Amino acid sequence: NAGVTQTPKFQVLKTGQSMTLQCAQDMNHEYMSWYRQDPGMGLRLIHYSVGAGITDQGEVPNGYNVSRSTTEDFPLRLLSAAPSQTSVYFCASSYSVGFREKLFFGSGTQLSVL
Amino acid sequence: KNQVEQSPQSLIILEGKNCTLQCNYTVSPFSNLRWYKQDTGRGPVSLTIMTFSENTKSNGRYTATLDADTKQSSLHITASQLSDSASYICVVSDFNDMRFGAGTRLTVKP
Repeated sequence: NAGVTQTPKFQVLKTGQSMTLQCAQDMNHEYMSWYRQDPGMGLRLIHYSVGAGITDQGEVPNGYNVSRSTTEDFPLRLLSAAPSQTSVYFCASSYSVGFREKLFFGSGTQLSVL
Repeated sequence: KNQVEQSPQSLIILEGKNCTLQCNYTVSPFSNLRWYKQDTGRGPVSLTIMTFSENTKSNGRYTATLDADTKQSSLHITASQLSDSASYICVVSDFNDMRFGAGTRLTVKP
């Protein structure tokens, strides 16, 4: 049981490049989400999904797109990377949408945009 | 201003000593409060959840307390071990959202 798997672990991009951060979970969780973690700040929600075909914006969605074609996968796309997107990105999932549920996090992707 | 404030930002203690981490919040209405442990280079892992009616909950050497009246929580670590070195994140939920604290970075030295 792998849990939540994120790839890649590290990535360096040039300003304006695009890329996709991959996230997969094998726990049949309904809820999946993407966060960014910046020094001195709490995790901030980028986008989330409550099930296949359903996505919504979080606190900091600008510059990012998501889709959820299957229960297992929830990729995060950066369309035109900017230095302000340098951060550590975490994918998380939980069994249901209710906010009593604990989140299961991936190991993170450290992204640097030059 | 962040609705979840944690203190101290960082803490260094000797192995075997106890420590207490603080979380103050202004999130309202209150649903629950979770403490997560985040090892370096890893994602956070849930330690415990506190709901409105719970004052104290233990998970091994970790004991969380909650005072919903003063909107404060603490995480007490007893007989610290080197493996306790990590960031500890307080997350407070209303019924629609989660708010994350910036975390306390704990270093346990031999």
